[in-house]
Formats: sequence, structure tokens, C-alpha cells
Amino acid sequence: AQKVTQAQTEISVVEKEDVTLDCVYETRDTTYYLFWYKQPPSGELVFLIRRNSFDEQNEISGRYSWNFQKSTSSFNFTITASQVVDSAVYFCALSEYSGTYKYIFGTGTRLKVLA
Amino acid sequence: EAGVAQSPRYKIIEKRQSVAFWCNPISGHATLYWYQQILGQGPKLLIQFQNNGVVDDSQLPKDRFSAERLKGVDSTLKIQPAKLEDSAVYLCASSLVAQETQYFGPGTRLLVL
Repeated sequence: AQKVTQAQTEISVVEKEDVTLDCVYETRDTTYYLFWYKQPPSGELVFLIRRNSFDEQNEISGRYSWNFQKSTSSFNFTITASQVVDSAVYFCALSEYSGTYKYIFGTGTRLKVLA
Repeated sequence: EAGVAQSPRYKIIEKRQSVAFWCNPISGHATLYWYQQILGQGPKLLIQFQNNGVVDDSQLPKDRFSAERLKGVDSTLKIQPAKLEDSAVYLCASSLVAQETQYFGPGTRLLVL
């Protein structure tokens, strides 16, 4: 069955520290998609990245990087040199086909970056 | 390109009252979703539309919740009658097609007293 686990409920770091948010998923399918979203205090979910199951290349976008490892069913997200504006709740999501494609979200990790 | 629009942004009602939320997806997006996000939890899918047809409403409490997407564009979600446990943020999202990235609106915060 589909499942997304974000074991870290809340993380606090000091500005400029690096931080990694963990995401572990379960799926029966070989074709699936993984996502990360950011939810700042304003409440809107902001799309960060989409990965399909056949693309295991790591990705870097500015201070953000993602490590996808099918062997461990993980899709971890690292923020380098964190900033106060990175403070938000981050959600990992999995989409697989079961009649239609639909998302299952993790419970989220609240990141607090302290000045 | 305009994003997903939702209204109202906030709503306070008393239990047993009815309430309706409106969503306008990104232009050209065939798939529209309504989610319920209770404080401290991840979003939970309530209903998914493909154009104006329902493709998944397995988690929609159909005794009190209803949704429609007339003409395959705008959508409304209604709760009647509301219960205290319906207090949550209701998020609307859209995607080009079902397997593509979902883009979310700002949400409607509902408080049921």
C-alpha cells in the first residue's frame, strides 16, 4: 500500500547550518512520482520538485538538493546554508497509479531556522 | 500565468450550518482536487475531478460533503451540516493531467464553533 513517512516532526537549526529532511516511502508500483512541497506560515503549498521512479539522478537547485535512492525507498531533501525564510513545514508526497494517479502526503516536517 | 484561486480565504460558522467553497483552477488544467488539511497533518484528498467527472471520492464524507465541477472548470465544495471536526484548511489543487504536478491554491480556513 502507498505510504509516506516523515519521521522528523520538527527540526530546529541555526541560520547557515545545513539540514536534511528525510522521506521514506512504500509503493507496489515500479512507476511512481515523488514530490516535495513547502508550506510557509501563509498556508499555501509551494511545489519544489517532482521526480519519477526511473530517474535516480540527484538534483541541485541553488541551496536545495534532493537525494533519491530506490534501494532504500528514500527521497531526502537537503537545504544548504539555511536561512530564516526557509522556516516552513515541508511535505513529501508519493503519486502512484491505482485507477488514477493520486497523491499520498507525509505528515510533514516543521523546520525552524533561528537567526 | 494565474495560479489556483480560492474563496473565501476564511470562514467561521456554527455547527449544523452549511458552507460552500469555490475554486478556479489554472487555465487548461483538466484535473482538479479538493483536500482537507487538519492542523498538524498532511493534506488528505477528498475528491478528484477529471474535467467534470469524478474519478475518486473514496474519502469524501458523502453524508455531509458534496462537490461539483460544472463545465470542467470552476468547482465548489459544500458542507451541510457542518460539524466541529470539519474545522480545517480546505485546499484546492489542479494539474494538467492526473500524473503531472499539482499546484495548490491559498486554501480556505474553516472554523466550526
